[in-house]
Amino acid sequence: AQSVTQLGSHVSVSEGALVLLRCNYSSSVPPYLFWYVQYPNQGLQLLLKYTTGATLVKGINGFEAEFKKSETSFHLTKPSAHMSDAAEYFCAVSEDTGGFKTIFGAGTRLFVKA
Amino acid sequence: DTGVSQNPRHKITKRGQNVTFRCDPISEHNRLYWYRQTLGQGPEFLTYFQNEAQLEKSRLLSDRFSAERPKGSFSTLEIQRTEQGDSAMYLCASSLVGGPGYTFGSGTRLTVV
Repeated sequence: AQSVTQLGSHVSVSEGALVLLRCNYSSSVPPYLFWYVQYPNQGLQLLLKYTTGATLVKGINGFEAEFKKSETSFHLTKPSAHMSDAAEYFCAVSEDTGGFKTIFGAGTRLFVKA
Repeated sequence: DTGVSQNPRHKITKRGQNVTFRCDPISEHNRLYWYRQTLGQGPEFLTYFQNEAQLEKSRLLSDRFSAERPKGSFSTLEIQRTEQGDSAMYLCASSLVGGPGYTFGSGTRLTVV
């Protein structure tokens, strides 16, 4: 069965500082991995996804994530935080078992200080 | 492409009443998913459709919940005899067959009083 663990329910960084949001997953088959962002009272927006191929994946808004199979991790980074990055971020895993049902982590709220 | 549309955005209902939510997916997407999200949690899978066929239902979907996608286009999620524990954001998402990654709607926030 798939599962996702996001380390840290809250992360606070200063504007311009590195953003690092941690995600570990469990999957019985090669996984598809995702990061989504959610702003208050909105649905989720896909930031980036890993399916196959290059393990460093670039997404929107300057975010990127690296798939590390040996560590079962898919951490999200951004070199320089912006105030507009303040939101809830969800790591998710999906398996190609027909429906691409996706399992989400509990989320990490990112605060950006001026 | 107008995205995934959900209506209503907000619904307040009294305990014991029935409610129905609607989701209009992206027109060329043949898969449609329903998730529930409670405060401070990630979305939890409820059910999904491929075209009009409902292919999987979560144990979270009690017999008070029913979902339909009659013509393989829009979908409805009905909750009968609502309970306070049903208060949550109900999210709809759609995708193409063979394509991992969803497009989500803005959700319907249900408050049961």
